[in-house]
Amino acid sequence: EAQVTQNPRYLITVTGKKLTVTCSQNMNHEYMSWYRQDPGLGLRQIYYSMNVEVTDKGDVPEGYKVSRKEKRNFPLILESPSPNQTSLYFCASSPSFQNEQFFGPGTRLTVL
Amino acid sequence: KNEVEQSPQNLTAQEGEFITINCSYSVGISALHWLQQHPGGGIVSLFMLSSGKKKHGRLIATINIQEKHSSLHITASHPRDSAVYICAGDSNSGYALNFGKGTSLLVTP
Repeated sequence: EAQVTQNPRYLITVTGKKLTVTCSQNMNHEYMSWYRQDPGLGLRQIYYSMNVEVTDKGDVPEGYKVSRKEKRNFPLILESPSPNQTSLYFCASSPSFQNEQFFGPGTRLTVL
Repeated sequence: KNEVEQSPQNLTAQEGEFITINCSYSVGISALHWLQQHPGGGIVSLFMLSSGKKKHGRLIATINIQEKHSSLHITASHPRDSAVYICAGDSNSGYALNFGKGTSLLVTP
């Protein structure tokens, strides 16, 4: 089944404890992206990747890192999480930027 | 940055009504996306369009590039259409997306 998977789906952590949210797609898509969704602010793009080893900042990249070493995986790294990174995170992929995106199920992160 | 505005923010309709959700953007784009998010959070892409009109079942999306405006129409609305509808525009000069804040639609029986 064609899908985008994210892990974990739910995570409660404490300030400063490094964490990684994984994202994987099995559709051989070139474009992948991370978004966060907050009440009143809607969806905002964190980072995106046009292809392996090609990444760029979105609207709200501060406090996040990404890497794209393989086409299928695009992990989101929070080196030192803070409470303002409490949010619902979505990963998405598409064959290229000029295509409809497939979204993962979301990861609800709480930073205490 | 492309400012994307949606209206209305909230919409309640009775089953069977024709529904229109509007999206306008400030900077020229090459494509606009319409997304649907049901309660429970999953996001599904409905349309991506660069010009004209697209139709899928009871959903129709139109875009006027010159006026920087797009609309999403739902014909013969049904309670299962209750969801948040989000539009997003890219820009001519980059590969990022800017999102509207969403329109929350409730269709009552």
